[in-house]
Amino acid sequence: GAGVSQSPSNKVTEKGKDVELRCDPISGHTALYWYRQRLGQGLEFLIYFQGNSAPDKSGLPSDRFSAERTGESVSTLTIQRTQQEDSAVYLCASSFSRGDTEAFFGQGTRLTVV
Amino acid sequence: AQSVTQLDSQVPVFEEAPVELRCNYSSSVSVYLFWYVQYPNQGLQLLLKYLSGSTLVKGINGFEAEFNKSQTSFHLRKPSVHISDTAEYFCAVTQTGANNLFFGTGTRLTVIP
Repeated sequence: GAGVSQSPSNKVTEKGKDVELRCDPISGHTALYWYRQRLGQGLEFLIYFQGNSAPDKSGLPSDRFSAERTGESVSTLTIQRTQQEDSAVYLCASSFSRGDTEAFFGQGTRLTVV
Repeated sequence: AQSVTQLDSQVPVFEEAPVELRCNYSSSVSVYLFWYVQYPNQGLQLLLKYLSGSTLVKGINGFEAEFNKSQTSFHLRKPSVHISDTAEYFCAVTQTGANNLFFGTGTRLTVIP
């Protein structure tokens, strides 16, 4: 597709279950970002991938969070043993390799942990 | 380390009045600066960006921002707002030569008829 695609758009899960969120970046974009946006709050950086370099995982809030990316394509964000505080919108963005280029955002996955 | 501060979490303004949304950043190196907008129930989209050159940057929908290096600020302005400008506005910064993009906590602009 033409834009960044995220799936699912909505996910309701029970506390303690694992969830996997998917992001399809724009073709050709080597940089990929994951952010978390809690209700009424700003964007919290989670993780950043750039080509084949080691990802910047400095924003992951705990070891329950992990993310992978296959080359310059799809990325998955996994949250293990979900907690209610994990409820948020998870946003994915991609951009070309240079930092001066625009980051394009997906519509996000709204995660609700009950 | 880089950080972005948006002091105003909410800004109400009457239609056709001017508005300024404040953004300050901290960085020990050169940066690129961005403003993104998130309209209700939509994804984020780029409003404007500062890379180099003229410190006054013009973006979409009549918005502009001015980079002030001495004050480490990148405030967003519009001389006359419209109802359709009601949205969440995010300031973001990245270090030149790097790609990681850090966002402020956002400012919710509400335009009152």
